[in-house]
This record gives sequence, structure tokens and C-alpha cells, in this order.
Amino acid sequence: DAKTTQPPSMDCAEGRAANLPCNHSTISGNEYVYWYRQIHSQGPQYIIHGLKNNETNEMASLIITEDRKSSTLILPHATLRDTAVYYCIVRTSYDKVIFGPGTSLSVIP
Amino acid sequence: DTAVSQTPKYLVTQMGNDKSIKCEQNLGHDTMYWYKQDSKKFLKIMFSYNNKELIINETVPNRFSPKSPDKAHLNLHINSLELGDSAVYFCASSLKGQGGTEAFFGQGTRLTVV
Repeated sequence: DAKTTQPPSMDCAEGRAANLPCNHSTISGNEYVYWYRQIHSQGPQYIIHGLKNNETNEMASLIITEDRKSSTLILPHATLRDTAVYYCIVRTSYDKVIFGPGTSLSVIP
Repeated sequence: DTAVSQTPKYLVTQMGNDKSIKCEQNLGHDTMYWYKQDSKKFLKIMFSYNNKELIINETVPNRFSPKSPDKAHLNLHINSLELGDSAVYFCASSLKGQGGTEAFFGQGTRLTVV
């Protein structure tokens, strides 16, 4: 079973920041927080991951709370192409990747 | 270059047939996976192989038989296809080890059983 909970759907205006929350209250000390997205029926695409510190790459930023029980994925300037299902996953590199239902993000013109 | 490639992309076949889906990764990863995504859009893991050895079999019917000839390939053979096998099948690969490592996914094989 997935170890995370996410809202089933969210809307975001084009050009605005999309903030996608994720709860992972049972995360272990050696588990990382990963984010993937799936656009339409393409293969899931890796976005970003982190352990304790906030992370940023060319796609997004990941903010992890100090107690590590929740995190937020931030897409700074959402575009229509960011419409997708976003999955938050916690795992070690030794674990299988287990997907929950994710958050369906709709970017609205 | 495609990191994880699957063939074929689309597969339409009749019930009772046997079919195979091939997967190859050129990332040097040691672990490969098969996932199934049905019409309800849930992604479920089916199998995982590490260094050609089966390490996860998620209660998949034995009509499904994965085969890993080497670390870069994980093929999925399905016997006696049923209507309920219709789904999109995704192959993925990752590298086990210390620290966080991401998994890379292929573009999927859409299997339709008629």
C-alpha cells in the first residue's frame, strides 16, 4: 500500500505557482520523498526527490517539513503542459516504487 | 537515446493467444520492473528483478512469466490471454544502493485483448 496521502484533484491558473501537498506521517528515517508525474497515458516521469532538505531543479521545488511528515511540490509557473497526475512516493532506493492514486492537476488557461 | 524502451507500443490480440512484450534499458541499472495500469488508472507493480533475479512477484497469475536474459532486459510473456489482461504495461528500471535514486519508465505497451 502507498504510504502517502494526496488530494485527488487540484486546479491551478496558467502562469501561477502550483503547490501540491503530500502527507507521509509514517515516513522512516532512511526513506526519501519522490515525486513523479504522468501526463495522459505516457510513462511516469521523475520530477524530484529529497531526504530532509528542500530541493530544487529545473522542473520544480520540493519543500519537506522539519518533522518530515509532509511535503509540498511546487511548480513555480504552471503551464498547460503541466496538466498531469502527480504522485508522491516515499521509499528507500532498495524498495519498489508503489504508486497511490496521486493528485490530478488541471492547469487552466 | 531512449533510456527505457518497450516494444511493441500497441498490441491487439485475441483471447487465448500468447504474447510477449520486450523491455530494454541502457542506463546501466541493476533493477527492472513491470507495472500494469488498468482502465481505472491505478499503477500496480507486477514484478521486480535485480541482477536478473526475481525479487518481487505481486500475486500475479502464473500466466504472466517475466524473463531477464541479462541486466539490461526484462521481457514479459503472457500465456492464454484474457479480456481482463487489457491494460497499459510499463517497464521501469532503477539502481539500488545508498542514497536516493529515481526510477525511469518506458512509454508503455497498450495491450487490447478482444
